[in-house]
Amino acid sequence: GAVVSQHPSWVICKSGTSVKIECRSLDFQATTMFWYRQFPKQSLMLMATSNEGSKATYEQGVEKDKFLINHASLTLSTLTVTSAHPEDSSFYICSVFQGQETQYFGPGTRLLVL
Amino acid sequence: SQQGEEDPQALSIQEGENATMNCSYKTSINNLQWYRQNSGRGLVHLILIRSNEREKHSGRLRVTLDTSKKSSSLLITASRAADTASYFCATEGSGGSNYKLTFGKGTLLTVNP
Repeated sequence: GAVVSQHPSWVICKSGTSVKIECRSLDFQATTMFWYRQFPKQSLMLMATSNEGSKATYEQGVEKDKFLINHASLTLSTLTVTSAHPEDSSFYICSVFQGQETQYFGPGTRLLVL
Repeated sequence: SQQGEEDPQALSIQEGENATMNCSYKTSINNLQWYRQNSGRGLVHLILIRSNEREKHSGRLRVTLDTSKKSSSLLITASRAADTASYFCATEGSGGSNYKLTFGKGTLLTVNP
């Protein structure tokens, strides 16, 4: 399966700052990536579908101006949490869709907003 | 959107015993997948079962799917301490879901040595 990395693995920032999280597909050119958010001891919630070369598709209730997604190449998608607040603290996970029904997940990025 | 429900929410067993986790969902699906997540880590794909399949095996894993009851079960046989993790089912909905997955709430499995 695809090998997916995320950077950084964890980040602490002050309230009001913006944070960029990278998701890289290391061995597969991915036209589609997904971004999820997971709160402690809860399930993964899909935030958006990242499409290479086009605008991301956001799930209902996810603010597109708050969570900016850029999928500028077939191996990189970025999620920027703009003007982060403590309630944005969460575990953010990306996945790569390899076109064979299965998604391959990155190791996740833990964000703590103080 | 639909969300699967796993039960039990937590399961604690002794090494060598079998662990069974169940998942229910609400709408029609193309497939159902099981993932494993170690604490604070990413997800690892375990097994996928399509809507026209009823049972699938992979090593010590056995998955069943009952589309009439909209439910699935994951059986881990001869459990090991290293199987300790959270297990999630995820469904890919039918009817143009664009391969999006909807995850259940997960079962936290603890295997005691």
